Amino acid sequence: DAGVIQSPRHEVTEMGQEVTLRCKPISGHNSLFWYRQTMMRGLELLIYFNNNVPIDDSGMPEDRFSAKMPNASFSTLKIQPSEPRDSAVYFCASSPTGRILDEQFFGPGTRLTVL
Amino acid sequence: AQSVTQLGSHVSVSEGALVLLRCNYSSSVPPYLFWYVQYPNQGLQLLLKYTTGATLVKGINGFEAEFKKSETSFHLTKPSAHMSDAAEYFCAVSVDNQGGKLIFGQGTELSVKP
Repeated sequence: DAGVIQSPRHEVTEMGQEVTLRCKPISGHNSLFWYRQTMMRGLELLIYFNNNVPIDDSGMPEDRFSAKMPNASFSTLKIQPSEPRDSAVYFCASSPTGRILDEQFFGPGTRLTVL
Repeated sequence: AQSVTQLGSHVSVSEGALVLLRCNYSSSVPPYLFWYVQYPNQGLQLLLKYTTGATLVKGINGFEAEFKKSETSFHLTKPSAHMSDAAEYFCAVSVDNQGGKLIFGQGTELSVKP
């Protein structure tokens, strides 16, 4: 298996622009997680899906952030409009069932820089 | 609410020395505890986890951790550090009523000197 795939790996954009991050979970996994990692706040869960349905989006910072999972093999995290404080590494992870005992498998991350 | 505190944002050891990375948690219900490792420019991968039963948990790459309820701790150890152990280590907690949600600590960067 190729593991969790994220694209792009690096994104540099200007303030105000729309940014879309993409994730392909491991085939057969039913749960998908989006995390953000910054020096100041560490690793934070933004949202997670189970069977393509958002279960907990309490970590989404504000309305500028939105996430979708239209099918079991694809998810997007969109920021519109982007701001410099959104600069971070965004990780996508998937797990077989989403139960807490399941290992989460992380993608390599997307490093976002907003100028 | 659950939380995790990792003591020391950076730990440096010599090759062959004992590795000890500290993690304390806060939870009002029995927790599930995890250690993840992040190598440079990579995502996190699971080292080990505690669910129930034996409090000493063995993981990959020679790491182990002991759950001590009385101390609310889950420290990570390895008897002899290798250069390849240099990475960032994250402790995380989850509980039954939070589904698959993990709460991560701030991370500890481990450096290994030759």
